[in-house]
Amino acid sequence: AQTVTQSQPEMSVQEAETVTLSCTYDTSENNYYLFWYKQPPSRQMILVIRQEAYKQQNATENRFSVNFQKAAKSFSLKISDSQLGDTAMYFCAFSAYNFGNEKLTFGTGTRLTIIP
Amino acid sequence: DAGVIQSPRHEVTEMGQEVTLRCKPISGHNSLFWYRQTMMRGLELLIYFNNNVPIDDSGMPEDRFSAKMPNASFSTLKIQPSEPRDSAVYFCASSFDGNYGYTFGSGTRLTVV
Repeated sequence: AQTVTQSQPEMSVQEAETVTLSCTYDTSENNYYLFWYKQPPSRQMILVIRQEAYKQQNATENRFSVNFQKAAKSFSLKISDSQLGDTAMYFCAFSAYNFGNEKLTFGTGTRLTIIP
Repeated sequence: DAGVIQSPRHEVTEMGQEVTLRCKPISGHNSLFWYRQTMMRGLELLIYFNNNVPIDDSGMPEDRFSAKMPNASFSTLKIQPSEPRDSAVYFCASSFDGNYGYTFGSGTRLTVV
């Protein structure tokens, strides 16, 4: 079974600063996918970024980037030039790369507040 | 594309009543997932379907919960009888072959009084 751990229940940063959210996971799978989802107060779950475990290059989506350390089973999210609209819950999630096991396993989330 | 569509957005019901939540996945997606979100337990997978067939229902809490996917464009999650501890936000999500990213619906907030 896979587990995902987010050790920072809450974080806050000033607008325009950079913030890093931590995530570690445990799995015996060799091929898998990792995701970060954002859940603003509207409760909609929004995919922020996705990383394939077989790719060494870290994924980047505009202001969002990840630091994927496969050996350490670490998958942190960096938000650059943070904006007020980044205020939300952020969930790290894992999915195995095999049929019958594609379900997403979520961490407990980090509540991020961007301070004006 | 309209995305994953869930209905109703809010549901308030009395204990003991039957509740049916509905989901329309994105056209072309072949996997559908039902999740429950609570403060205490976070996001839990209840059941997921691949090509309309239930693959893993180990997260369904008990026999009061049932889910169906009669065709590729519709799924239901039914709770009968409902209990106050079923109060939560229920999400439906769909994907194509699972791992390219899951698209979530806007959720149904269920309150059982």
